[in-house]
Amino acid sequence: DAMVIQNPRYQVTQFGKPVTLSCSQTLNHNVMYWYQQKSSQAPKLLFHYYDKDFNNEADTPDNFQSRRPNTSFCFLDIRSPGLGDAAMYLCATSRELGEQFFGPGTRLTVL
Amino acid sequence: GDSVTQMEGPVTLSEEAFLTINCTYTATGYPSLFWYVQYPGEGLQLLLKATKADDKGSNKGFEATYRKETTSFHLEKGSVQVSDSAVYFCALSATYGQNFVFGPGTRLSVLP
Repeated sequence: DAMVIQNPRYQVTQFGKPVTLSCSQTLNHNVMYWYQQKSSQAPKLLFHYYDKDFNNEADTPDNFQSRRPNTSFCFLDIRSPGLGDAAMYLCATSRELGEQFFGPGTRLTVL
Repeated sequence: GDSVTQMEGPVTLSEEAFLTINCTYTATGYPSLFWYVQYPGEGLQLLLKATKADDKGSNKGFEATYRKETTSFHLEKGSVQVSDSAVYFCALSATYGQNFVFGPGTRLSVLP
């Protein structure tokens, strides 16, 4: 089945230690998104790639970066995680700017 | 800017009860409307959608009708099951799929 895959499902890192979250897709969608979701809140869009074009949301902290080496893969890099960055990180994809398909998420814990 | 308002939860129902989760929106133009469901520990799954006024989206016994005159997209199900326990998000995109705006979510608990 075509899908959006996120690895790992659970990630633990230390305060200030860089961490990378991974997303891959078999849907061949050209748009990929990263969302941050904190407990009992709606997902918050961090940025998205439209093909190779990177689109950052205005209020996304500089601590968050992203890479998309090819159509199938997209990475979220958190350069210096703080306690406030503990959250569920959701990857989503879409064909053009159509409906979005979400992965299962990676739950990040910062110690 | 565009926004989505949902009824506050949590909503607790007994199995086989009727469910309504209210959703209203503010947007310029003619947005597409979506309901997503999030089961514990998982990502969001598209439940249903409607792309123009008076469209009815339906899936797995859930329904919602795009009401332009009341700017609403209320989610309904005639008989809920324990397995429907989840968080439900109403969302819109001002241009189809672009600039998704999510509501705050409504947690539903269905008791046997």
